[in-house]
Amino acid sequence: AQSVSQHNHHVILSEAASLELGCNYSYGGTVNLFWYVQYPGQHLQLLLKYFSGDPLVKGIKGFEAEFIKSKFSFNLRKPSVQWSDTAEYFCAVILTGGGNKLTFGTGTQLKVEL
Amino acid sequence: DGGITQSPKYLFRKEGQNVTLSCEQNLNHDAMYWYRQDPGQGLRLIYYSQIVNDFQKGDIAEGYSVSREKKESFPLTVTSAQKNPTAFYLCASSRAGDYGYTFGSGTRLTVV
Repeated sequence: AQSVSQHNHHVILSEAASLELGCNYSYGGTVNLFWYVQYPGQHLQLLLKYFSGDPLVKGIKGFEAEFIKSKFSFNLRKPSVQWSDTAEYFCAVILTGGGNKLTFGTGTQLKVEL
Repeated sequence: DGGITQSPKYLFRKEGQNVTLSCEQNLNHDAMYWYRQDPGQGLRLIYYSQIVNDFQKGDIAEGYSVSREKKESFPLTVTSAQKNPTAFYLCASSRAGDYGYTFGSGTRLTVV
């Protein structure tokens, strides 16, 4: 079955630490990749997306992600986190030709401590 | 402002009762989706609809039903057949062929 895996379920960092959240998918075809963020009490928001082209994509709030096709990965990174980055982060995939259905990973809860 | 409205924000029901969650969008999006969010399980697709009067089952459709009589509306009914209905329900929409989803603020359903 097609799936999206996020191996880090809970991450705790101090402010200014670097962040990398893992995301792997199991689809064999062409994929479109996303990272969403859900701040406490707020809507899901799109952080960044990859459809094609440069595998290093930059998103909002200083986040970036790198698509590595050979590793079926799309890891999220931020060089220096802030307390306000505390949120839940979801990796998601749409399989091209798969009916526009977005499949989510299980999420990573990030807590940034002062 | 365009967006997705889910109502109510919190809903309580007794076990054995059907309950309908509302989702309305004014974005003129063709496709609409229902997801269920549980701690540690991410978001799982319940039902989706690409056009009016048509919808498909997602990964966890058992115990749920939907209708799509209008482009703007995609209500979800949680039936008494759903074994574990207490959850956070999210509605989303997108334009046809566009992978950008817009999400609603969700409805938290508690069945007692």
